[in-house]
This record gives sequence, C-alpha cells and structure tokens, in this order.
Amino acid sequence: NAGVTQTPKFQVLKTGQSMTLQCAQDMNHEYMSWYRQDPGMGLRLIHYSVGAGITDQGEVPNGYNVSRSTTEDFPLRLLSAAPSQTSVYFCASRGSSYNEQFFGPGTRLTVL
Amino acid sequence: KNEVEQSPQNLTAQEGEFITINCSYSVGISALHWLQQHPGGGIVSLFMLSSGKKKHGRLIATINIQEKHSSLHITASHPRDSAVYICAVRRLASGSRLTFGEGTQLTVNP
Repeated sequence: NAGVTQTPKFQVLKTGQSMTLQCAQDMNHEYMSWYRQDPGMGLRLIHYSVGAGITDQGEVPNGYNVSRSTTEDFPLRLLSAAPSQTSVYFCASRGSSYNEQFFGPGTRLTVL
Repeated sequence: KNEVEQSPQNLTAQEGEFITINCSYSVGISALHWLQQHPGGGIVSLFMLSSGKKKHGRLIATINIQEKHSSLHITASHPRDSAVYICAVRRLASGSRLTFGEGTQLTVNP
C-alpha cells in the first residue's frame, strides 16, 4: 500500500491564482481530513470528510473548497490564493475504528 | 487558552537520558494521540490512548483521564529520536475531529 499520497510537494503561487492540492489514499478509509501547519501553532483542521459525497468545514475553512467524489481522493482547492495561505498542508485519513491516523508527506505552499 | 497544552516547548537532552513530554487538556475526550514529526516533515502516529498505559519499544505513553493529563516517555534516548512530538485529543462528540497541541521540539545530542 502507498498509504496517503499528496501532490505536489512544493508549490509557489502568486496572489489571486488558484490551484488544487491532491490527496489520495489506498486503504479504503472513510475519514479524510486536510490540515494546515503554521509556525507556533498546532495543526488546524481546514475541511474533513466522513465518506464519499460528504464533506464538512473545520476550524479554518475560508478560502478553501473540497469535494469527495470517491473514497480514495480528497482534493483541496484554493480559489484565489492569498499570502495568509502560505503554510504546510497535510492530508490525513483513518478507518472507522477511531484508531491510527495516517498522514501524507505534506505540501509546502508559498503565496507571493 | 489552548485546549491542548504541551510542555516543554523545547527540550535538549544527552544521548541515553530519560525524557518526559507532557500534555494537558481542558476538555472531555474520547481518545488522545501522540504523533512524531520528523525533521523532513512527515508525521507518524505513535500511540492512541483512552486509558492507562501503552509501550512500544523505548516509548511509553500514559494517560490520567481524571487529571486530564498524558505523558510520553522515551527511555535511553538516541539522536534519531530528535523530532517534534505532538499531542492531539479527540473531543467527546467531535466525531473524527482532532485538536492538536503546538508540539514539543526534542533534540538529543550524541
């Protein structure tokens, strides 16, 4: 199993550009989440999904959209990038048994 | 005040020392996770606890539900243990959502 994969690993955007961060998992996990990690702060939840076709907002959803058309994929869209969205983004998944969370390798995004 | 507080924020130890990282939380929880973030950025789950104590190799995690406190211990520390250790709690009735502490940066010198 590849686990949780994320692409790209690094990205530089200009203010106002849009892009999609890709996340995929091959463990048939129901639950998937997107977090951002900023210096001096814990991981913060952006959006999450409890299954295909179901998504909900986390703590910091503004400026981001998600969709979950399949169990495997959970893309995160930045609609109009802003410098405040410069961060490291992690995708995570887990099964339904409330056990181990699996994290992707992260995407380092810089918005100029 | 954060719902999840870790201490210390930074910890430097000599190889072989016994290390303790603490996590206190202020909400009712169904489970607590300890995670390790490597210098390269990857995050790995170490433990999930809802009561008592768990051990894996040189790592021991304990939780006291009544005192809302958990500790992560590393015995016979090694430079490869250098990483950020993150505590996260699953709040009661939060479903799949986790609330994270800011992390403890551990450096183990040879």
